[in-house]
Amino acid sequence: GAGVSQTPSNKVTEKGKYVELRCDPISGHTALYWYRQSLGQGPEFLIYFQGTGAADDSGLPNDRFFAVRPEGSVSTLKIQRTERGDSAVYLCASSSIPRGFESSEQFFGPGTRLTVL
Amino acid sequence: AQKVTQAQTEISVVEKEDVTLDCVYETRDTTYYLFWYKQPPSGELVFLIRRNSFDEQNEISGRYSWNFQKSTSSFNFTITASQVVDSAVYFCALRSYNTDKLIFGTGTRLQVFP
Repeated sequence: GAGVSQTPSNKVTEKGKYVELRCDPISGHTALYWYRQSLGQGPEFLIYFQGTGAADDSGLPNDRFFAVRPEGSVSTLKIQRTERGDSAVYLCASSSIPRGFESSEQFFGPGTRLTVL
Repeated sequence: AQKVTQAQTEISVVEKEDVTLDCVYETRDTTYYLFWYKQPPSGELVFLIRRNSFDEQNEISGRYSWNFQKSTSSFNFTITASQVVDSAVYFCALRSYNTDKLIFGTGTRLQVFP
């Protein structure tokens, strides 16, 4: 079956611009996660959705970052007034069992490489 | 605070050598989950294993094996008879029972030379 897909694969923008990154999770997965991976680092958690609602947005670095999942499937990560420090690979993951005694693994997409000039 | 430490930044081996990737974690929780992911040059993270904190049995899957020791807060990963296709960055991750986010280490880059 299809895995997690992310578009675009690469995005180059200028400082101060607005960008949207899209994630299409595995069909039927109720949980969706956004992570950010800087060069040479491990992924850092940004936000987690259970259905349409953001269950945990504690990782969003500031109010320039916002994410939505209006129909409980596709999610969009939105970054306003981009800064050079926002340059990173943005990873999306989904899972079928978001919480419980038996933790389900998260399946990751290929990521969107964002470059802010 | 939760933390995952992968002290080995980069390891180089020759094909057919065995190699162990170290992972040390910190958590105050008694129930938690540990994971290993592989990130090949293509960039997509590939799930390898999940371990529950109450299950300390070691696990073997083909050439891969994992050694979980709560006494030393370690969850090490061994590749036996390494192959060039094993070249990738490997991440260890921790998840508490009451959250859904993964806390990743900084990764270990493994290079296997023919």
